[in-house]
Amino acid sequence: KAGVTQTPRYLIKTRGQQVTLSCSPISGHRSVSWYQQTPGQGLQFLFEYFSETQRNKGNFPGRFSGRQFSNSRSEMNVSTLELGDSALYLCASSLATGAGANVLTFGAGSRLTVL
Amino acid sequence: GENVEQHPSTLSVQEGDSAVIKCTYSDSASNYFPWYKQELGKGPQLIIDIRSNVGEKKDQRIAVTLNKTAKHFSLHITETQPEDSAVYFCAALSWAAGNKLTFGGGTRVLVKP
Repeated sequence: KAGVTQTPRYLIKTRGQQVTLSCSPISGHRSVSWYQQTPGQGLQFLFEYFSETQRNKGNFPGRFSGRQFSNSRSEMNVSTLELGDSALYLCASSLATGAGANVLTFGAGSRLTVL
Repeated sequence: GENVEQHPSTLSVQEGDSAVIKCTYSDSASNYFPWYKQELGKGPQLIIDIRSNVGEKKDQRIAVTLNKTAKHFSLHITETQPEDSAVYFCAALSWAAGNKLTFGGGTRVLVKP
C-alpha cells in the first residue's frame, strides 16, 4: 500500500513568488490535512480538507490556501512568498470516518526555501 | 485553543536504559493523544496513540500513559537502542474539532551506544 506522496520534495523560490505543493493521500483516505514545520514554531496546523471542502483551518494568513479534488488529492498554495514561509510543509491523510478517523499518516514533506 | 507542552526538549540516554517524555495539554475536550517519531529527512511517523477512555497502552518497548485529571500523558521507551534516536512529538486532538492536531515542541532523543 503506497504511503502519502508529496511533490515536489524540495524547491527554492524568491520573495513575492507563489508556490503550489501537491499531496496524494493513501488510497481510501478521504481527509487531507496540511501542517507547516519550522525550527522556531514547530508543527502548526494549516487546514484540513474532506470531500473537497475545507473542514478546518489554522491561524495562517489568507496567502495560504488549499483545495482538494474529487480523487482526494490535495494542493496547497502560498502566494506572495515571504522569507518566513521557508519551512517543511507536511501533508497527512486519514480515513476521516470510523475508528481510524483521527489516525494521521504523514508524507515526507515538501521543503520550501524562500530567498 | 489547545496548548501542548513537551519536556524535555533534548534527552540523552545510554543504550539499554529507559527514556521518558512528558506532555501536558490544556483543553479538557481533547480525547486523542498520538506520539510521532520523526527521523532526519522524513515526515512524522505514528508510533503509538491513546484515547481518553484508556489509561495506559503498551506496544513492545513503547508505552504511553494518560492522566486525564492532571491533563498529562507520557511516552516510555524501555531498552533503548541506537535506532530509537530521533525527534519525538506528542500531540492532542479533540474529535469534535476534526483532524486538527496540536503538537508539542518535540524531544530530540539521542541513544548512545
